[in-house]
Amino acid sequence: EMHLVESGGGLVQPGGSLRLSCVASGFTFSSYEMNWVRQAPGKGLEWVSYISRSGSTIYYTDSVKGRFTISRDNAKSSLYLQMNRLRDEDTAVYYCARQKEQLVWVFDPWGQGTLVTVSS
Amino acid sequence: DIQMTQSPSSLSASVGDRVTITCRASQSISSDLNWYQQKPGKAPKLLIFDASSLQGGVPSRFSGSGSGTDFTLTISSLQPEDSATYYCQQRYSTPTFGQGTKLEI
Repeated sequence: EMHLVESGGGLVQPGGSLRLSCVASGFTFSSYEMNWVRQAPGKGLEWVSYISRSGSTIYYTDSVKGRFTISRDNAKSSLYLQMNRLRDEDTAVYYCARQKEQLVWVFDPWGQGTLVTVSS
Repeated sequence: DIQMTQSPSSLSASVGDRVTITCRASQSISSDLNWYQQKPGKAPKLLIFDASSLQGGVPSRFSGSGSGTDFTLTISSLQPEDSATYYCQQRYSTPTFGQGTKLEI
């Protein structure tokens, strides 16, 4: 069974940093493109970042460009999101999501999410 | 960015009802439209991709239709476990989601 497990969330002050991790199991991680999607408390879903299978192609939503860095370690079946210069509006549950095979921007499955709270 | 607008924002229905949720894109997105179901405290789950293709394991009472700018998600005979928030998402360009439709049974 495919499984994604996020970790690394927590409480951080504005301007601080946090590194999220997502460990995959049940499938060949290196064969799939991956994404981060977030959901602010009580709000809808927002795509954050994408990384190709090799890590050579990366995209970000405008609001996190220059502050967040996505990366992956295929040997460890792991996806990461380094978040710097955090703002109040970055408070959200962050989900990692696998891209469905040969279908761009179709997310399946998703991890259970990790909560990031940015507050002083 | 392509804006996605869902209606209604919330609705209440009874077991056995037929329910339709609509999603409108701010520009044509062909059939590049996905639907997700999210239950409280859980991750979203893919229901339908490419407007009308049912994801494996999803009950056949769920169906999707539409193309261009207007799309619908239909649940043919509502079950208690269908109580959730439903999101549409376009994949024509950098992905964006609708604001969600909360369905109460």
